[in-house]
This record gives sequence, structure tokens and C-alpha cells, in this order.
Amino acid sequence: AQSVTQLDSHVSVSEGTPVLLRCNYSSSYSPSLFWYVQHPNKGLQLLLKYTSAATLVKGINGFEAEFKKSETSFHLTKPSAHMSDAAEYFCVVRFNQAGTALIFGKGTTLSVSS
Amino acid sequence: DTEVTQTPKHLVMGMTNKKSLKCEQHMGHRAMYWYKQKAKKPPELMFVYSYEKLSINESVPSRFSPECPNSSLLNLHLHALQPEDSALYLCASSQGRAMGTEAFFGQGTRLTVV
Repeated sequence: AQSVTQLDSHVSVSEGTPVLLRCNYSSSYSPSLFWYVQHPNKGLQLLLKYTSAATLVKGINGFEAEFKKSETSFHLTKPSAHMSDAAEYFCVVRFNQAGTALIFGKGTTLSVSS
Repeated sequence: DTEVTQTPKHLVMGMTNKKSLKCEQHMGHRAMYWYKQKAKKPPELMFVYSYEKLSINESVPSRFSPECPNSSLLNLHLHALQPEDSALYLCASSQGRAMGTEAFFGQGTRLTVV
């Protein structure tokens, strides 16, 4: 079965400390992987995507993610959290089959304290 | 222009009403999507249109009726909804449905059924 799992439903950090949001996928196929962010009552914004090029992907707002095939993971990191990073983060997968839509993880709520 | 525009932003409707949600994009994207998002949950796929033809219907009740009049527009017609249909309805578009193609999301329509 193909699935995507976000390992933490809630992550709390202090401003200026590193952020790590974890995502694992399960699939027999090679996936495309995305991270989206959603601020309260807003739509979703693409942070970054992996599409079988470089395994370390840099995104907007200082975020980056590393694709590790051996661990079937695509964790999102940021060296230093900012208050404005507080939001809901979704790991999203499109599997290597014609016609598949995006499949969302359950989301991770990131809280940033001052 | 990387924008997906949804109207209205907010909608309150009675259970006997008929209303429509609208979505527009001018990026030349040929795949368009409707998602439903309940509070504190990830978006759930409802419908996918590819080249203006309905290609995926995720067993959505018939009180939701999608329509794709042309390659830039996507509508969702609502009739005889239930209070549990209250949610954020998100429209998205992508260049296609191939690997690596990300979706661009609108800001959503917050629907309340009374």
C-alpha cells in the first residue's frame, strides 16, 4: 500500500532554534515529494519539492528537506525558527503512476515560542 | 501569475439552498482539483479534472456536483447540503498529473451549512 506518514502531530520550538518535521512514505514506486505550509484559515503554499534530481532540496523561507531512499524519509528542516513559521505543515506525495493525485499526510502543527 | 482565485471566500447556506463555488486559474494548467478540509485535518480529495474531463471522483455524494466549463474555470455546485458538509473547500491546479508537478492552491471557501 502507498502511504505517507508524518511522525509528529505537534512540534514546539523556541524562536531561533532548529526545526525538524518528520515525514516517511511507503511505496513500491518512486515518489515525488512535497512540503506545503498552511497558515490559519488560509490556502496551502508550496515550500519545496523533490523530483528525483538532487536529494537535498532547498525551499522558500530558509526551509530545506533531504530525500533518503534507504530510510524512505523526506524530513523538513530549518536552522533557526521564526515566529512567522508557526503554522500547519503537510508532507505530500505523488506516486509514480499515471494519473495519481496528491496524497496528504495528517499534518504537523508547528508552534514557535519567544 | 501563479494564482488560483476562489470565490466567495465565505458562504453560509441553508440545507435547502443551491449555491456554487467558483475557482479560476490563468496559468494554463490542465488539471484542476477540489479538496475538502475539516478543521485540524488534512485536505481530502473530492474531484480531479484533467483536460476538462472528470477523471477522479472520490465517491463524493451527489449533492456535490463539479463542472469544468473551460480550461481556466472550475465550479462546484452545492444542493441540499448537510451541516456536516461545513468545511474549507480548496481548489487547486497543476500543469498536469505527471511526476513532479506540484499543485497550486487557492485560499479556499469557508462554507457553513445551517
